[in-house]
Amino acid sequence: ETGVTQTPRHLVMGMTNKKSLKCEQHLGHNAMYWYKQSAKKPLELMFVYNFKEQTENNSVPSRFSPECPNSSHLFLHLHTLQPEDSALYLCASSSWDGSSSGNTIYFGEGSWLTVV
Amino acid sequence: LAKTTQPISMDSYEGQEVNITCSHNNIATNDYITWYQQFPSQGPRFIIQGYKTKVTNEVASLFIPADRKSSTLSLPRVSLSDTAVYYCLVGDSYRDNYGQNFVFGPGTRLSVLP
Repeated sequence: ETGVTQTPRHLVMGMTNKKSLKCEQHLGHNAMYWYKQSAKKPLELMFVYNFKEQTENNSVPSRFSPECPNSSHLFLHLHTLQPEDSALYLCASSSWDGSSSGNTIYFGEGSWLTVV
Repeated sequence: LAKTTQPISMDSYEGQEVNITCSHNNIATNDYITWYQQFPSQGPRFIIQGYKTKVTNEVASLFIPADRKSSTLSLPRVSLSDTAVYYCLVGDSYRDNYGQNFVFGPGTRLSVLP
């Protein structure tokens, strides 16, 4: 248990469907992230949110729409996806407590998405 | 984040010590070095972090030379369950406070053989 919870763990959707991935962190962090990981490929940073404000959009297609209603929750809304969007989607959070210990990022277990 | 370079893959046998080296030539004064481990179908998880010299915890040791341009993750007596991808990240705890962009490279894929 990392303190970052993602639902659903598995999702199968058609190309015309609309679905959402949900992430909740119980760590009191102020930053949240979405990553995509395709099979045997490196993690790709998609979006970063700081205190509910989006601070990074890494050239992600508009069929992926993030939403961050508060510092503890993050959504990824999915619409008209393509089969090549099938991947593991990972949510993460981080914070800095003002000490000299450095930043650390905490990941959820991920949501496996299959687009058919 | 400072750019890092590490081997793409390594093989080892059970019971051996494994050392994975990461190069970070343009590390800045305030940058810390953090290693993460990722098992298949899971998110990466924190292993160890250091700034200089040596850090040890129950899982691994981290060796950082005086010039800090590289670091070595040492895993003592690996087992089959240590088969994973290991990532080295270099970041600044003071400059990259809120919403630091944690960009992961390809990492090192460690395979532990029986």
